Parts: sequence; C-alpha cells; structure tokens
Amino acid sequence: GAGVSQSPSNKVTEKGKDVELRCDPISGHTALYWYRQSLGQGLEFLIYFQGNSAPDKSGLPSDRFSAERTGGSVSTLTIQRTQQEDSAVYLCASRAGASGQYFGPGTRLTVT
Amino acid sequence: ILNVEQSPQSLHVQEGDSTNFTCSFPSSNFYALHWYRWETAKSPEALFVMTLNGDEKKKGRISATLNTKEGYSYLYIKGSQPEDSATYLCASPGGGNTGKLIFGQGTTLQVKP
Repeated sequence: GAGVSQSPSNKVTEKGKDVELRCDPISGHTALYWYRQSLGQGLEFLIYFQGNSAPDKSGLPSDRFSAERTGGSVSTLTIQRTQQEDSAVYLCASRAGASGQYFGPGTRLTVT
Repeated sequence: ILNVEQSPQSLHVQEGDSTNFTCSFPSSNFYALHWYRWETAKSPEALFVMTLNGDEKKKGRISATLNTKEGYSYLYIKGSQPEDSATYLCASPGGGNTGKLIFGQGTTLQVKP
C-alpha cells in the first residue's frame, strides 16, 4: 500500500517568504507527527495530531510555525516569514494505534 | 527533559567489517527504544522497537541489544555492505500519551567497497 508522502521534496525560498509543506499520511492512520532535522542536529519533534483532539504543539519553535490537519488526513505545515535557521529537512510520520511511526521522505527546505 | 545520545557521530568502515554503535537514554521511567535507518533521499525505516531489559533483536545482519537498567542500547552490523551506508537513529518516547519520539543525533555509517 501507499506510504506517507510529502511535497514538495525540495523547496528553496527567500528569507521572509512564507512556505507550506504538505503531508499525506497512510490511509486510516489517526496519529500524525511533524519533525525536522536541522544541520548537525537530531530529529526534533514539532507537532502531533490525533484524531479530533487538540494538537500537541509543544515542539513548534516559534509562532511563525503553524500546522493544520484537515478532515483527519492531509496536514500542512506553514512557516511564515522564513528565516535562515528554518533551513532543515521536515519529516512527517503517521501511526495507527500502537504501531510504530511510518515516515515520509521529507521536504528539504533551504532559506536563502 | 529526555535526552537521547548516540555515538559515534560518524563511522567509516571497509566492506566486510563488523561494526557497532551506541544509544544512551535515561534509565528512569523507561518505556521503549526505537532504532531507525535513514538512507539519503529516503524515508527513515523502522528497524527495531525494544521494550524489555536484556532484549536482543535481529534483522538479517543487523542486531540490537537493550540494557534499561544502565540506559543504553547497542546496534551491531555484521559484515557491513555498501548498502548499509545510512544514518542510524535511536529514539525514545518523550512521555505523555502522544507517542512523540525524542531522537538522538544519529550515527552516520559509510561502508567503503
């Protein structure tokens, strides 16, 4: 079956512009996570969605970051007024029940 | 705050060599330890989920052990092949009921033919 997909695979943007990253989780997976890996750093948790519950936004680094999940499926991560320190690989993962997390291939964001 | 550490940060070995690397984590309130393999331009792939002290899991030439009392896990690769070249990540749940994972920085393995 189809895995987690993310788009775009690569995004180059100018400092100050807004960007939207998209994640399509595995069908039927109720939990969805966003992580990012900055250069030289480990994967860092950003936000978690579970069904209709309020999302856990505790990992979002600033109020320029927001995410939504429409209809319990597709999620978009929006970064407003991008800064160079936002350059990273952004990974999405989904999970069903007690299973492990299945990751997408990521979006490599470069802010120039 | 849960802190997961991995060492070494990078490793270069010759094809056929066996290798191992370490993941350390707080031993208190342990729940689970995950190992992932992340090849360039691909999705991180789950290797093992380990929960019991003394657990040993194997997948082909890759195996892992777990010591929850002292807070470490080893990943072993026997007879490394070029296709084993990847970043190996370990992670532990960050508490609460969200299942969010706290990752180490990873060990990047390069296997030279």
